[in-house]
Amino acid sequence: DAGITQSPRYKITETGRQVTLMCHQTWSHSYMFWYRQDLGHGLRLIYYSAAADITDKGEVPDGYVVSRSKTENFPLTLESATRSQTSVYFCASTPTGRAREDTQYFGPGTRLTVL
Amino acid sequence: QKEVEQNSGPLSVPEGAIASLNCTYSDRGSQSFFWYRQYSGKSPELIMSIYSNGDKEDGRFTAQLNKASQYVSLLIRDSQPSDSATYLCAVKTSYDKVIFGPGTSLSVIP
Repeated sequence: DAGITQSPRYKITETGRQVTLMCHQTWSHSYMFWYRQDLGHGLRLIYYSAAADITDKGEVPDGYVVSRSKTENFPLTLESATRSQTSVYFCASTPTGRAREDTQYFGPGTRLTVL
Repeated sequence: QKEVEQNSGPLSVPEGAIASLNCTYSDRGSQSFFWYRQYSGKSPELIMSIYSNGDKEDGRFTAQLNKASQYVSLLIRDSQPSDSATYLCAVKTSYDKVIFGPGTSLSVIP
């Protein structure tokens, strides 16, 4: 009954390193999302996925890579971390993305610090 | 114009008062509207959803929707200190994207 989980919960890394944030959901939801949340900017969509092997860019995709080989997993990779990517990252999922009632369920978040 | 806007905070109300949170949106074809609550250091959690014009009540929470004015609000009656959080308005647009507003910080003073 885990729902949606993220790992790690906290991560400190250095500029230029590659970092992967993991997201796993147990509901078999079709849609999954990655957001970053910064003071003054609210939630900003990085990437989303409508199904396995289908991904699309959101509002702020530069510097990030995603993949979705399995429905339940949606990892987010920072290929070469920069200080501007210091943020709190939330993964979310929704059943179909098209139904009027579909709402997004959020994971607990990953707090990433890039030194 | 931003797609979803909320009244700028922070909003402070005394315990027991009514807190009123407002949200406007730009896509006239939007059909679904959600209010999320986010405690400091936590993830957003859904507290209300509304799809039709009018009021929808759930305990101390009332969501109000006016599609003609492109306006949605959340009223919290008998505000408690535990209601202190940031409230995010989210709108599902006519092209099936969910857009979040910047949030309004609410502080309920005992």
